This record gives sequence, structure tokens and C-alpha cells, in this order.
Amino acid sequence: EDKVVQSPLSLVVHEGDTVTLNCSYEVTNFRSLLWYKQEKKAPTFLFMLTSSGIEKKSGRLSSILDKKELFSILNITATQTGDSAIYLCAVHFTGTASKLTFGTGTRLQVTL
Amino acid sequence: NAGVTQTPKFRILKIGQSMTLQCTQDMNHNYMYWYRQDPGMGLKLIYYSVGAGITDKGEVPNGYNVSRSTTEDFPLRLELAAPSQTSVYFCASSYGAWRGNTGELFFGEGSRLTVL
Repeated sequence: EDKVVQSPLSLVVHEGDTVTLNCSYEVTNFRSLLWYKQEKKAPTFLFMLTSSGIEKKSGRLSSILDKKELFSILNITATQTGDSAIYLCAVHFTGTASKLTFGTGTRLQVTL
Repeated sequence: NAGVTQTPKFRILKIGQSMTLQCTQDMNHNYMYWYRQDPGMGLKLIYYSVGAGITDKGEVPNGYNVSRSTTEDFPLRLELAAPSQTSVYFCASSYGAWRGNTGELFFGEGSRLTVL
């Protein structure tokens, strides 16, 4: 059964800290891994990773994929209160339809 | 650009009632999905569709039905509401494989359903 596991489940940090969120997966027919940020409403897209070892970066956020060890990390440097959210990892696998399997998410709270 | 539009945003149902969550997208996406998200949890796939007239079950289809008569619309029907269906429901869409589908989903704003 396809499985996506995120850790930690929740995290509280002080503004300015650096955090690393983890996502491991067991998925057949892997195609890509996606990170989403969810604040109060719908998830918003952050990154899509398909190749091992190539870092994707957007401002203070970056992510990398290891297809051999089947995991990805999402780094956030110099955290701000606006980074407080649930971060969802999802894996896209091919088959009869293009579907995403989501992890349970990591709830990040950034305090002053 | 409207994207994915869901209605209603909130609804309270009594046990045994029925209702339909509406979803429409204006991006000409072939693939559409319904997910539910319980508190503190990730998203679970209920049903999906790869095109008009084609639907299939996801991980948690029991208690739900869908139809896809047009590319734009993908309504989700709850026939006999139960407290276990209290959740936030997200409709999403994506490009089909012919567009080099990367898997990125475009989400609606969500519908919060409470069954009492």
C-alpha cells in the first residue's frame, strides 16, 4: 500500500530559527513529490521534486529529494510568524489516473 | 480567473439527511478529485475522475457518490449523512497526462460539513 509519512507531527519554534521537515514514502510507480502549505483554507503549492539531489528554492524555503532513500526534506530558514501553517507532503504516482497520496502533515507554529 | 469553486462553504446536516457538494472548475482540466480532511490529518481521497463520464473510488469512498457529466463539474453526494462524515471537503483538479501532468493539484477553498 502506498504510504507517505511526515515528521515531526508538530513543531513550535521561535522566530528566526531554522526548521527541517521530513517526508518519507513507500510508493510504487513514483513520479514526483510535492510540498504544500496549508494555512486556514486550501493547500497552496510550494515545490515539486522529481529528481534526486536537485534542490528547489524559493526565498527562505528549500527542498530536496532522495529517491534512493525515499525521502524529502523541506527547510525553512529565518522563520517568521507567517510561516505558521500545516506543511503537507504528497507523492504523485502513475497508474490509471494521476493521484496524489498525502501525508498527515507537520503543524509548524512560529512564536515571537 | 475563478479556478476551482466549491459550494457551500459551510453546512450543518442532521444524521440521515442528504446533500450535494458542488464543484466546478474553469481551467479545462481533465482530472478532478474530492478529498476530505479530518482535524489534524492529511487529505484522504474519496473519489476521482479522469474525464467526463469516468469516475473511480479513492481510499475512503463509502457513504459518498459522484458523477461527472461535464468536464467542468464534479459534484459529491452524501446520501445518508453520518457523524463520521464531519470533515472539511476539498475539491481539486489537475491537468491530464497529455499535458505532462506534474501532479500539482489546484484546490477549491473547502467546504466544512458538520453532521449532528
